[in-house]
Amino acid sequence: QVQLVQSGFELKKPGASVKISCKASGYTFTDYAVSWVRQAPGQGLEWMGRISTNTGNPAYAQGFTGRFVFSLDTSVSTAYLQISSVKTEDTAMYYCARKLVSGSLYYWGQGTLLTVSS
Amino acid sequence: EIVLTQSPGTLSLSPGERATLSCRASQSVSSTYLAWYQQKPGQAPRLLVYGASSRATGIPDRFSGSGSGTDFTLTISRLEPEDFAVYYCQHYSPSRPSFTFGGGTKVEIK
Repeated sequence: QVQLVQSGFELKKPGASVKISCKASGYTFTDYAVSWVRQAPGQGLEWMGRISTNTGNPAYAQGFTGRFVFSLDTSVSTAYLQISSVKTEDTAMYYCARKLVSGSLYYWGQGTLLTVSS
Repeated sequence: EIVLTQSPGTLSLSPGERATLSCRASQSVSSTYLAWYQQKPGQAPRLLVYGASSRATGIPDRFSGSGSGTDFTLTISRLEPEDFAVYYCQHYSPSRPSFTFGGGTKVEIK
């Protein structure tokens, strides 16, 4: 069965970097793009962008350029989200997800909580 | 850029009642790319409806989606205790490509 398993809780100080992983299993990794979605505490869902697992090309949503980088290691079917120079406002749950049919996200990781605090 | 506005922000209902959730797009969108999700505390979102009206695998038939153009609706015919949650609508733009979420509607127990 399709699974997206994310790395665990991260506690970072402002200015540090963090790399969150999303390991896929149960399907051919390069057949589906991986999206990243952020959810700040008590807030709604924000699509951050996605990365083509076929070409490695990332596409970033407005507000997620510069400090946010999507990458892949196809040898281990894993997508990564790296955030540099983290700020307190980056405190959020981060989800990876992929579609089943075009236009919606069916499979979701369990989420990775990032807390940024001095 | 398309903006999705969900209403009401909070819906207070009792089990067994009917819930009607609205999602309005800032411009006409294709029904093919309109979806609804349910999210419970501490859980990842779960896809309920895609293509505006098609239920995802395993979703009970008390959930139904409808609408076209700029106005879409998620209806829960008879609320079960497990249905009290936050619901999000979402649009996908294939030309960019990009996803946009609405702000959510919380369905709470009255």
